[in-house]
Amino acid sequence: AQSVTQLGSHVSVSEGALVLLRCNYSSSVPPYLFWYVQYPNQGLQLLLKYTSAATLVKGINGFEAEFKKSETSFHLTKPSAHMSDAAEYFCAVSGELTGGGNKLTFGTGTQLKVEL
Amino acid sequence: GAVVSQHPSRVICKSGTSVKIECRSLDFQATTMFWYRQFPKKSLMLMATSNEGSKATYEQGVEKDKFLINHASLTLSTLTVTSAHPEDSSFYICSASSFGRAEAFFGQGTRLTVV
Repeated sequence: AQSVTQLGSHVSVSEGALVLLRCNYSSSVPPYLFWYVQYPNQGLQLLLKYTSAATLVKGINGFEAEFKKSETSFHLTKPSAHMSDAAEYFCAVSGELTGGGNKLTFGTGTQLKVEL
Repeated sequence: GAVVSQHPSRVICKSGTSVKIECRSLDFQATTMFWYRQFPKKSLMLMATSNEGSKATYEQGVEKDKFLINHASLTLSTLTVTSAHPEDSSFYICSASSFGRAEAFFGQGTRLTVV
């Protein structure tokens, strides 16, 4: 079984500041980890994924995340926030690939606010 | 990334009627599709998993007779909300995955309002 904990339901940063969104996971098998972004009234867009290759994963829009097995963490970062980054961010975990695709378990989400 | 199209994006229906939501994978074969429900300011709640050509697997607490899921082809899955009631009003999102892929790709979501 897998689970995800996202610390901080709301994060506020100034434009140009570092973005850090926290995600800790629990998994009984080597996990696959994902970050998705959701804008209002839209579906989820994949930002990046970890699938047991490099532990530092780079995604779209300047985001990256580092898989740390010892800390069971997969925190999302971006060096410099932009106003367009304001959105809801979801961390998700899945386990071994099954015969037709993977069931994702989502965290509760973190609302990122970017202020001038 | 792969493209998943969900239609309609918004629908308003009268209480007691049925509504069908379509989810299409446009540029890949989706062996598995997932249907989620999202309440305001909440995370996604998985409703069911459907594999092409098989009956859907529903999560505990989801009424399979109310939320009918069909996955008849590798590019199309449908969710029909039968005899809709105001409490069924929500944001429904589909996602699609294919054999051997770790990630899933999401549709744009459907805002259902039952009046």
